[in-house]
Amino acid sequence: LAKTTQPISMDSYEGQEVNITCSHNNIATNDYITWYQQFPSQGPRFIIQGYKTKVTNEVASLFIPADRKSSTLSLPRVSLSDTAVYYCLVGTGYSTLTFGKGTMLLVSP
Amino acid sequence: DTAVSQTPKYLVTQMGNDKSIKCEQNLGHDTMYWYKQDSKKFLKIMFSYNNKELIINETVPNRFSPKSPDKAHLNLHINSLELGDSAVYFCASSQELAGVRNEQFFGPGTRLTVL
Repeated sequence: LAKTTQPISMDSYEGQEVNITCSHNNIATNDYITWYQQFPSQGPRFIIQGYKTKVTNEVASLFIPADRKSSTLSLPRVSLSDTAVYYCLVGTGYSTLTFGKGTMLLVSP
Repeated sequence: DTAVSQTPKYLVTQMGNDKSIKCEQNLGHDTMYWYKQDSKKFLKIMFSYNNKELIINETVPNRFSPKSPDKAHLNLHINSLELGDSAVYFCASSQELAGVRNEQFFGPGTRLTVL
């Protein structure tokens, strides 16, 4: 069972780059790493998914080192609307899906 | 069109009652999930169904019983409700591609309050 650990909270200012790291020391060979964003009173929303190295899409980048024991979600130039809780999810296939406890990101003007 | 819908959005009930939460997805996905999010915002998977078959069954009380009448629906029935069942319950769906469960689409959640 891949257990994940991420910071409880982070603070940033508009326009800065934010990096949120998730630790998953016992990640399994077949596990993928997925990040979700959640606003109050809404369901989580997919941000990005990766297996190794680097993945980039229009909203974020995901960095995964060779040992895959951690991953870093990078949000470029955050805005106030990026204030949300960010969850790291490890698992795939028929394995149990384990969410991290979430990182509350607060972006200030 | 709503991709993943849940009903009801709010559910307030007394201890000991039996209640159901319904979930429907119109994305054509083959996998559906139920999650529980407690007051501390911890998000824990409860069940997962793939093509109507149970594939993930976390340690939840057997008072919780999922029912999947077809691939587009996954309902959650809860017997003998307890105070500790109060939480927000999220339904989600995803499509498996080459053994990978890709992004999950979550419903809006059902806030259950047990009095």
